Amino acid sequence: KQEVTQIPAALSVPEGENLVLNCSFTDSAIYNLQWFRQDPGKGLTSLLLIQSSQREQTSGRLNASLDKSSGRSTLYIAASQPGDSATYLCAVLVVNDMRFGAGTRLTVKP
Amino acid sequence: KAGVTQTPRYLIKTRGQQVTLSCSPISGHRSVSWYQQTPGQGLQFLFEYFSETQRNKGNFPGRFSGRQFSNSRSEMNVSTLELGDSALYLCASRTDKSPLEAFFGQGTRLTVV
Repeated sequence: KQEVTQIPAALSVPEGENLVLNCSFTDSAIYNLQWFRQDPGKGLTSLLLIQSSQREQTSGRLNASLDKSSGRSTLYIAASQPGDSATYLCAVLVVNDMRFGAGTRLTVKP
Repeated sequence: KAGVTQTPRYLIKTRGQQVTLSCSPISGHRSVSWYQQTPGQGLQFLFEYFSETQRNKGNFPGRFSGRQFSNSRSEMNVSTLELGDSALYLCASRTDKSPLEAFFGQGTRLTVV
């Protein structure tokens, strides 16, 4: 059974700092991995998607990497801003079913 | 291009009642999945519908059911509501072509009292 783990559970950083969020999964047989952002009480916003054959994707200040063989992905956020404060979730797609990690709650202090 | 639309946004129901939630996917998307999100359990998969057929199902009791219409809109029904059903219910639509990216609605916040 696919298990997805995110470390750390919470992270607080000063504005301007670069940071890395971690995601690990137990079964490398995935179609893709997505990183999402969720603001309190809201839905999920897709940030980046990495297909199983890819190693990384970039969008603005965000960079996500995927190492399928080791079951790991990282989300790198450059020059963090208070507006980046949210919960970040990673999810792997396995045969019509997405499995989610518990998320990392990020707080960026002005 | 319109996103995923979930209605209603908020619901308050009494124990024992039933409730129906609606999800309209992005135009052209035939896959609709439903998830329950609670502080204690995180995001849990309920079921997925594709072209009006349930394609996959999570580990939820039979009180949770769903269906999909020919226009890909989906409904989720919960009967005999329990206090523990209070949660944010999210639906996601996805294409059936690579890269199979999922897009989520804003969710329906269900409170059972």
